[in-house]
Amino acid sequence: AQKITQTQPGMFVQEKEAVTLDCTYDTSDPSYGLFWYKQPSSGEMIFLIYQGSYDQQNATEGRYSLNFQKARKSANLVISASQLGDSAMYFCAMREGEAGNNRKLIWGLGTSLAVNP
Amino acid sequence: KAGVTQTPRYLIKTRGQQVTLSCSPISGHRSVSWYQQTPGQGLQFLFEYFSETQRNKGNFPGRFSGRQFSNSRSEMNVSTLELGDSALYLCASSSSGSYGYTFGSGTRLTVV
Repeated sequence: AQKITQTQPGMFVQEKEAVTLDCTYDTSDPSYGLFWYKQPSSGEMIFLIYQGSYDQQNATEGRYSLNFQKARKSANLVISASQLGDSAMYFCAMREGEAGNNRKLIWGLGTSLAVNP
Repeated sequence: KAGVTQTPRYLIKTRGQQVTLSCSPISGHRSVSWYQQTPGQGLQFLFEYFSETQRNKGNFPGRFSGRQFSNSRSEMNVSTLELGDSALYLCASSSSGSYGYTFGSGTRLTVV
């Protein structure tokens, strides 16, 4: 079974508008971490935002915020005021267990975001 | 500070050959993880090294191996290359106590 599901293979958004990229996850471990990465055509994975399972508040990093709904096991990424440079693949990933001994990330298949001028 | 450096950036090999990819982590980072990215399978974890020891291993055949040196630089080796090994290979470095992972730009391997 998929542990990370990203149901939107492709998304379009108008420049300056907000967009939400969906991510649902599946784990029985009470301790886990959720990540969003951006991958432009150059290939490098760029870290955007992190949410720990015990974090009480939704994570925010500049124009990025994470809508964390623990009971629904969803961790949607919200990008506000989209820019042309936001056009890229976006990946949701999960680390199960504590970060100390487990550095393995499990990945979704990604969402391709295109920002239209 | 310098980021994660992967060399080479591009590589073309013939079936049956072997290849070695290199990853230099951020200074001070002792954990290096490797991932294979293909259009069909997405990103899959290969292995993780910490202080020269393999700490985690993904579900890949024994043709995929790796090692880490005392300066934390890591190499991965793929022997007897198959067409299906064509992929982007990414490495990520991280430090103890940190949740973050910093990725390199990857090595794009093409097997012909």
